[in-house]
Amino acid sequence: EDQVTQSPEALRLQEGESSSLNCSYTVSGLRGLFWYRQDPGKGPEFLFTLYSAGEEKEKERLKATLTKKESFLHITAPKPEDSATYLCAVQHGSSNTGKLIFGQGTTLQVKP
Amino acid sequence: EPEVTQTPSHQVTQMGQEVILRCVPISNHLYFYWYRQILGQKVEFLVSFYNNEISEKSEIFDDQFSVERPDGSNFTLKIRSTKLEDSAMYFCASSGQENQPQHFGDGTRLSIL
Repeated sequence: EDQVTQSPEALRLQEGESSSLNCSYTVSGLRGLFWYRQDPGKGPEFLFTLYSAGEEKEKERLKATLTKKESFLHITAPKPEDSATYLCAVQHGSSNTGKLIFGQGTTLQVKP
Repeated sequence: EPEVTQTPSHQVTQMGQEVILRCVPISNHLYFYWYRQILGQKVEFLVSFYNNEISEKSEIFDDQFSVERPDGSNFTLKIRSTKLEDSAMYFCASSGQENQPQHFGDGTRLSIL
């Protein structure tokens, strides 16, 4: 069964304290892995797409990496405005409809 | 920057009533989706829509659910006879191609009484 698991469920950091979020996946062939940010009461906001193992993407303080079994979202020197829930989602190879399978998210709180 | 818009932001309905949730996807996108998120749970796929027909649906998307693209801009989700367990946040999303990023609206919070 296709599955996406994120860890930790919640993470508290001090401003400037770097860390990483993990997304482990089990799918029948990976078509793409997507990272989203979700603020309370809002829809998921797209951050990154990764398509193949070894690929990396960066945007400001965020960097996403991908292996054959997992993805990491590295947050360097976070600021309070980085506080949000970060969602990982995958598309599997046997689906050409775009269906996303989401993890349960990691809720990040960055304290000043 | 183009965005997906959803209306209403909050819908309160009596159990057994019909509801229609509305979405305006990004104008040049071809793939359209509905997802839902029950409070405290994962975002779950409901249905994907391409070329004026459903391309995939989940087990959740039973005969009580339907989708329609009535014109060139709107994309709707209808629930014919709502149940208490339909209470959730419903998100619409669209993408240019099926493996490109999906862009989400801010959702409709559906509360069934």
